[in-house]
Amino acid sequence: EAGVAQSPRYKIIEKRQSVAFWCNPISGHATLYWYQQILGQGPKLLIQFQNNGVVDDSQLPKDRFSAERLKGVDSTLKIQPAKLEDSAVYLCASSPRTANREKLFFGSGTQLSVL
Amino acid sequence: SQQGEEDPQALSIQEGENATMNCSYKTSINNLQWYRQNSGRGLVHLILIRSNEREKHSGRLRVTLDTSKKSSSLLITASRAADTASYFCATAPNQAGTALIFGKGTTLSVSS
Repeated sequence: EAGVAQSPRYKIIEKRQSVAFWCNPISGHATLYWYQQILGQGPKLLIQFQNNGVVDDSQLPKDRFSAERLKGVDSTLKIQPAKLEDSAVYLCASSPRTANREKLFFGSGTQLSVL
Repeated sequence: SQQGEEDPQALSIQEGENATMNCSYKTSINNLQWYRQNSGRGLVHLILIRSNEREKHSGRLRVTLDTSKKSSSLLITASRAADTASYFCATAPNQAGTALIFGKGTTLSVSS
């Protein structure tokens, strides 16, 4: 089966600019996650969707970050305006069911550099 | 917030040796999972151990879980150069609907 697709792979922007990332989960996976991974650290959850509804966005900096999951399939994550500390890898993951206690399937991530 | 803390932060061994990584966590869990991340790539699931299990094997991997100590260990036997990667533990909290919480990871380097 096809894996989780993410684009772009790399993005370089200047601070205060905006940027968007796209994710297409594995077909049929109900749950989709966006994680932020700063260099040298583990992934930190930004937002969790179940179908097209938000389950948890408590750690999403809502003054600059937004995310949506269109029709319960693919998703976009946007940052506007970007700050230097947003430099990180943004990982999208999905899982088949809604139990949220099973393994996750990750995409390759988008590496963002904010200059 | 990050719940799991891996130890050591970095580990360097020779091919053929065993590698052991430890993970400690704070709250009660439904299960604990280990993931591998090669440089510049996404995370790949390795193994899942449930809270009522004490040990699990998968190929060259052996995972143990001690819920009384809130700790887990991952043992990779007969390491290969291809095992060079970062390894993360992730806990699934008991609260339904809560996403996995990842630790900071252990970077393993296997030299030939």
